[in-house]
Amino acid sequence: DIQMTQSPSSVSASVGDRLTITCRASHNINNWLAWYQQKPGKGPELLISSAPSLQRGVPSRFSASGSGTDFTLTINGLQPEDFATYYCQQTDIAPFTFGPGTRVDL
Amino acid sequence: QVQLQESGPGLVKPSETVSLICSVSGVSITSYYWSWIRQSPGKGLEWLGYIYHSGLSSYNPSLQGRLSLSLDKSRSQFSLRLTSLSPSDTGIYYCAGTRTGVFDPWGQGTTVIVSS
Repeated sequence: DIQMTQSPSSVSASVGDRLTITCRASHNINNWLAWYQQKPGKGPELLISSAPSLQRGVPSRFSASGSGTDFTLTINGLQPEDFATYYCQQTDIAPFTFGPGTRVDL
Repeated sequence: QVQLQESGPGLVKPSETVSLICSVSGVSITSYYWSWIRQSPGKGLEWLGYIYHSGLSSYNPSLQGRLSLSLDKSRSQFSLRLTSLSPSDTGIYYCAGTRTGVFDPWGQGTTVIVSS
C-alpha cells in the first residue's frame, strides 16, 4: 500500500494568515492526489483533485501543487470557515489511502 | 444536487455482522463508482471498497475477505456487509461517489460501535 504522511499534524493560525500543509507519498503517485476538508460532525468534502484542479465552489485562496511524492496545500488568507482538518489522499492506485490529517485551529 | 444518506444499526456485538445501506438521490446510481470509507481514532480515514453498477468491485485487502458490497439499481441504494466484527471496526462509516479514485460527494456518515 502507498503510505501518506502529512505535516504538521496540527497548527494554530489566525484569520488572514497564509498556511501551507505538506503531504508526502511513500511511492511516486505522479499528480494523483486529492485534498479534503473536514469540519466537526461532518463528512470530508473534496477541495482539490489532481492538483491543481480546484473543485467548483472552492474559494481561490486554496491552491495545491506538487508531483511525484511531495505535495502542498496552501491557503492564502485564512478565513474563519477554514478552521478545520485537512486530509490528503492518493488517487493513483487501490487501496486508496489517506494522510493522517492536519488540524487547523484558531 | 447529489445526496447520499447512510443508515445502519448503530451498535453491534463482537463477532457479528453489520449491514449498512447508502441511499443515493439526485443522480443515477449508474453515474459513479460507489465507495465505503470509515473513520476511526486509531486508523484515521480508511477506504474499504467500491462497487459499480456493472457488478465490478474492489476491496481493501486489509479487511481480509470480511467485506462484501452490493448495489440495487431499482432502489438507488448500495450496501456494505462486514463480518466477524471486532472493536477495531468501531467508527464512522461514510459512503461516497467515486471517480478516478476521488471521493465526491460524501454522505454524513453513520456510527458503528462494536461492543458487547
